[in-house]
Amino acid sequence: QVQLVQSGGEVKKPGASVKVSCKASGYIFSNYGISWVRQAPGQGPEWMGWISGYKDSTKYAQRFQGRVTVTTDTSTSTAYMELRGLRSDDTAVYYCATSKGSSPYDSFAIWGQGTMVIVSS
Amino acid sequence: EIVLTQSPGTLSLSPGERATLSCRASQSVISSYLAWYQQRPGQAPRLLIYGASSRATGIPDRISGSGSGTDFTLTISRLEPEDFAVYYCQQYDNSPTFGQGTRLEIK
Repeated sequence: QVQLVQSGGEVKKPGASVKVSCKASGYIFSNYGISWVRQAPGQGPEWMGWISGYKDSTKYAQRFQGRVTVTTDTSTSTAYMELRGLRSDDTAVYYCATSKGSSPYDSFAIWGQGTMVIVSS
Repeated sequence: EIVLTQSPGTLSLSPGERATLSCRASQSVISSYLAWYQQRPGQAPRLLIYGASSRATGIPDRISGSGSGTDFTLTISRLEPEDFAVYYCQQYDNSPTFGQGTRLEIK
């Protein structure tokens, strides 16, 4: 079955960067795009960005433009999300998710298990 | 950016009762690109409804979605113990956004 498995939790200092991975299985990786969604404690989810399965196209939420980069490694069926200039309000669970489609704007049928990122001095 | 406002913030009901959750958009969601998710503590969101009214794979028919334009509703006809959770709506007409959630708790 389609599955997304993410890397483990991270603790970072303010100003640092974090890179979270998301390994896909159960489908042809290049067929579907992957989105990144974060959820701060007690808050609703927040979409950050998307990358196509062919890694030739990306879309980012305006508020993260310039601070986040999403990439893929098709040889290992893995997507990555790097967030730079971390602040305390970036503390959240970060999810990868896919709609099993090719549009950046879609609902998300499959989710990774989430990666907790804590930003603290 | 389309802002989604969910109401009520918390809904207290008993098993077997009917739950009605609301999601209002700040502007019309074209083509009813509206989804609903259920989230239990410590878990990722689970897709329930997409396209405003289509059930995702494995979702029972006592869960239904309706609405168009700016007003959408999630209805659970007969609450089961596993339904008590937090529910989010999401629009994907353009850059996706989520509501702030409705907590469904046992009365």
